[in-house]
Amino acid sequence: DGGITQSPKYLFRKEGQNVTLSCEQNLNHDAMYWYRQDPGQGLRLIYYSQIVNDFQKGDIAEGYSVSREKKESFPLTVTSAQKNPTAFYLCASSIGFGSVPYPADEQYFGPGTRLTVT
Amino acid sequence: AQKITQTQPGMFVQEKEAVTLDCTYDTSDPSYGLFWYKQPSSGEMIFLIYQGSYDQQNATEGRYSLNFQKARKSANLVISASQLGDSAMYFCAMRDRTILGGNEKLTFGTGTRLTIIP
Repeated sequence: DGGITQSPKYLFRKEGQNVTLSCEQNLNHDAMYWYRQDPGQGLRLIYYSQIVNDFQKGDIAEGYSVSREKKESFPLTVTSAQKNPTAFYLCASSIGFGSVPYPADEQYFGPGTRLTVT
Repeated sequence: AQKITQTQPGMFVQEKEAVTLDCTYDTSDPSYGLFWYKQPSSGEMIFLIYQGSYDQQNATEGRYSLNFQKARKSANLVISASQLGDSAMYFCAMRDRTILGGNEKLTFGTGTRLTIIP
């Protein structure tokens, strides 16, 4: 079964600790994305990556870091510098504009990780 | 100004009836893409339908259709013969190039919570 996996589904951390959220895809997609969702709001883009070893900041990158060492994996680290880390985090992937003409290229999402920091 | 506006925070619809979820957008890019996603209570975002700004016909996917009115900048989602399983949050999103990184970025609306009544 092809898809995107995120683990764990629920994560609890103490304030001041860094935490890494996992995202893996076996869709052979070039592009991967991280979004944050707060209650009553839409998704906001944190980071995205179009190819391995390259990534770009989204709209709310402060306090977050990512890496893209493998095509299949795009982990997100929530650092202690993130002021309000409690949120629902969604990872997505898409074929990428190397293969799909703009503006198509729909994004496919994982099940999400709900992070609670106390 | 909001790039994507969903004015209906919540809707209640009788089972088997058709429902229209509103979405208006704002862009100066003549080439853009519009997407609708469904988010059940489990949290995963499910891609429903895509409409490109140059597409001649309104997009359709099974029970989903997109009422695309370019001059009015609206892209309403129509669900025919609603089912109990359609109860979820629905998000409209747009990709355009008026913002940095717009080739890749999706901008989401705040969503509409649809509840189907038996």
